[in-house]
Amino acid sequence: NAGVTQTPKFRILKIGQSMTLQCTQDMNHNYMYWYRQDPGMGLKLIYYSVGAGITDKGEVPNGYNVSRSTTEDFPLRLELAAPSQTSVYFCASTKASGNTGELFFGEGSRLTVL
Amino acid sequence: AQSVAQPEDQVNVAEGNPLTVKCTYSVSGNPYLFWYVQYPNRGLQFLLKYITGDNLVKGSYGFEAEFNKSQTSFHLKKPSALVSDSALYFCAVRKAQAGTALIFGKGTTLSVSS
Repeated sequence: NAGVTQTPKFRILKIGQSMTLQCTQDMNHNYMYWYRQDPGMGLKLIYYSVGAGITDKGEVPNGYNVSRSTTEDFPLRLELAAPSQTSVYFCASTKASGNTGELFFGEGSRLTVL
Repeated sequence: AQSVAQPEDQVNVAEGNPLTVKCTYSVSGNPYLFWYVQYPNRGLQFLLKYITGDNLVKGSYGFEAEFNKSQTSFHLKKPSALVSDSALYFCAVRKAQAGTALIFGKGTTLSVSS
């Protein structure tokens, strides 16, 4: 199993550009999440999904969109990139049962907006 | 609302000494509590969790944590620190309710000197 795979690992965007961060998992996990990590701020939840076709906002959803058309994939879309979106983005997944499972994280995508 | 506090930005210990990384939480109802570790330029890795039962839980790499309901704390401990334990540690909390997401603290950098 590859676990949680994120692409790209690094990307530089210009202000106003758009892009999609890809996330796929091969563990048949229903729950998937997008977090952003900023120095000294911990991880902030952007969006999450409890299954295909279902998504919900987290703490910091503004400027982002997600979709969940399959169990495996959970892409994060950045529209009109802004410098405030410079961050490291992590995708994570977990089993649905009992809500007690630990999260499995990808390696992260480092985004810089200039 | 759920929240997690890690009061120390950095903890410094000498190799062989015991270590403690502090965490307090706020959540309505019964909490599910987690510790994760992050090495440089990597995703987060699960260390241990408290769901129910014994207040002392043991996890990976010799780490353990004690759940204290009256103090709403979940401190991470290890009897004898290793230089290789140096990393960024995150405490996280989730409501005991299906569909809720994990909320992370801001992280504590552990530095173990030889």
